[in-house]
Amino acid sequence: QSALTQPASVSGSPGQSITISCTGTSSDIGAYNYVSWYQQHPGKVPKLIIYDVSNRPSGVSDRFSGSKSDNTASLTISGLQAEDEADYYCASYTTTITRVFGGGTKLTVL
Amino acid sequence: QVQLQESGPGLVKPSETLSLTCAVSGYSITTGYHWGWIRQPPGKGLEWIGSVYRRGNTYYNPSLASRAVLSVDTPTNQFSLQLRSMTAADTAVYYCVRDGDANFDYWGQGTLVTVSS
Repeated sequence: QSALTQPASVSGSPGQSITISCTGTSSDIGAYNYVSWYQQHPGKVPKLIIYDVSNRPSGVSDRFSGSKSDNTASLTISGLQAEDEADYYCASYTTTITRVFGGGTKLTVL
Repeated sequence: QVQLQESGPGLVKPSETLSLTCAVSGYSITTGYHWGWIRQPPGKGLEWIGSVYRRGNTYYNPSLASRAVLSVDTPTNQFSLQLRSMTAADTAVYYCVRDGDANFDYWGQGTLVTVSS
């Protein structure tokens, strides 16, 4: 199985909104609404911030939102803050009952 | 509160088999969910290794399926990973996770495994 495709890096200024894309196929992202997103600060454990495409776990800021269209999922962060600077990963369930991650996106807050 | 804790060797010799165990507290693995392993080589991204269900059903990353074995030990509320024929490319932080169909909601702290002679 191939990894999901994410941009290597994105950047934005405080207060702005950014969107990170995650492109897969009809065998993963396009097949189910089982797409999740993770935030990882340097040296820290990844943290689930979006599950089932667009749901936020308790305690996650509503500045984080997720969506999906066909084979591409997206994570949008609004009102960008310095603390949002981190690596972001998407993941998806697949039709072969496996899981697959994206390569990760480094977010820089300018 | 669900907590996961990995245990195992920090150093493995090339060609040897890695054995890691994940102890789960605050939730019985017999209740539900899959339980999985994810790894992250230094400076690189996340890679799903595989997941195991409470009844022992296992699912593996095709790229690791020939070398990985996952199992559950319900009496001790633990699950394990064995990865054989280790090479330097397997050097990584290994995380155990609770897996809700690719929604990994609880993670262990991670354990660094280095492959070196």
